[in-house]
Amino acid sequence: DAMVIQNPRYQVTQFGKPVTLSCSQTLNHNVMYWYQQKSSQAPKLLFHYYDKDFNNEADTPDNFQSRRPNTSFCFLDIRSPGLGDAAMYLCATSRDRRGDEQYFGPGTRLTVT
Amino acid sequence: SQELEQSPQSLIVQEGKNLTINCTSSKTLYGLYWYKQKYGEGLIFLMMLQKGGEEKSHEKITAKLDEKKQQSSLHITASQPSHAGIYLCGAEGYFGTGTSLTVIP
Repeated sequence: DAMVIQNPRYQVTQFGKPVTLSCSQTLNHNVMYWYQQKSSQAPKLLFHYYDKDFNNEADTPDNFQSRRPNTSFCFLDIRSPGLGDAAMYLCATSRDRRGDEQYFGPGTRLTVT
Repeated sequence: SQELEQSPQSLIVQEGKNLTINCTSSKTLYGLYWYKQKYGEGLIFLMMLQKGGEEKSHEKITAKLDEKKQQSSLHITASQPSHAGIYLCGAEGYFGTGTSLTVIP
């Protein structure tokens, strides 16, 4: 049974055209994360939510925003995608604390044309 | 923020050989995770270590966290092609630089 679901698995958007990636979880975990992973690199943490509390990494560009309307869903909005934003975007959850074991979704591969 | 350095960056081994991947932290680790990732896929949890000196094994993979809790190692015994992938250590939401493992049949 899928526990962390990401839709779509593949997303193509045009340069400058806003795009939203979605993540949902059936685990009822408090913490949700968004990562960006470029080819041959480790996942880079963009931000995370502890419940409704949003925590942005210092080096996350302003172009990236997130929403968490309820416990189950979290969205990644890219306001004006550039070619450099093409990457795999991974969503993860953990139960209570940031240091807890993370459960990952399969990722959404974003292509910017 | 947490900084995790992995070595080596990549590894190519013959099937059946043993190998070790290291993860060094800039801070004391209170929980260290090892993950495996196949190209283009999500991360698969392997093991979690929390106590200094702790060692855990699963099938042919053993992970240790040193006493000072700033370094961890992942050891694979008798490697198989199915072990190929990228190995990542993680702590507090941050990931290490990754180690790409290729196992030649």
